[in-house]
Amino acid sequence: DAGITQSPRYKITETGRQVTLMCHQTWSHSYMFWYRQDLGHGLRLIYYSAAADITDKGEVPDGYVVSRSKTENFPLTLESATRSQTSVYFCASSDHFGLAKETQYFGPGTRLLVL
Amino acid sequence: GESVGLHLPTLSVQEGDNSIINCAYSNSASDYFIWYKQESGKGPQFIIDIRSNMDKRQGQRVTVLLNKTVKHLSLQIAATQPGDSAVYFCAETPGGGGNKLTFGTGTQLKVEL
Repeated sequence: DAGITQSPRYKITETGRQVTLMCHQTWSHSYMFWYRQDLGHGLRLIYYSAAADITDKGEVPDGYVVSRSKTENFPLTLESATRSQTSVYFCASSDHFGLAKETQYFGPGTRLLVL
Repeated sequence: GESVGLHLPTLSVQEGDNSIINCAYSNSASDYFIWYKQESGKGPQFIIDIRSNMDKRQGQRVTVLLNKTVKHLSLQIAATQPGDSAVYFCAETPGGGGNKLTFGTGTQLKVEL
């Protein structure tokens, strides 16, 4: 049971480069989320998706782009990386029905360093 | 604005003692609460949840208490073990549908041998 995976686990890039972080889940969950985690800020929502081809902005969407052509994948792209985007990025998913449908399950994270 | 916060950023306990981690929330419309555990270098892991129509819920060695009157949530860990050392987050989802969660900043639990 693979669950939810993220790739790459670690990434170093330079300012101005485009970077794509991948997220894949095997549960067929409807909802998927992208968070960034920084000291002093906890988990902040970047973008989320309620289903394939449906995405919406979260708390801190500027500088990021998402797509969801398939239910199981939810890539996050930094179009032109900036140093302020150095962070740990977590992907999560949750189902759309059931007693605990709001429970989100997280991937292992991607540690991104922008030089 | 609405927020979920924690009273103590760091909690140190002796192995075998009980731990209590607290969380305050301000959105009276929140109807579902979750506790997550995050170990160093890993993603948050679901521990236990509780709906607003309940006051208490128990799991294996963990209990969550909800006091809606004062908008307070707590996580109790019985017989704390070294493996319990981690950051613990509370999260809430406001009523009205949607699967978004609002997270607190976390409490670091340190278990001393």
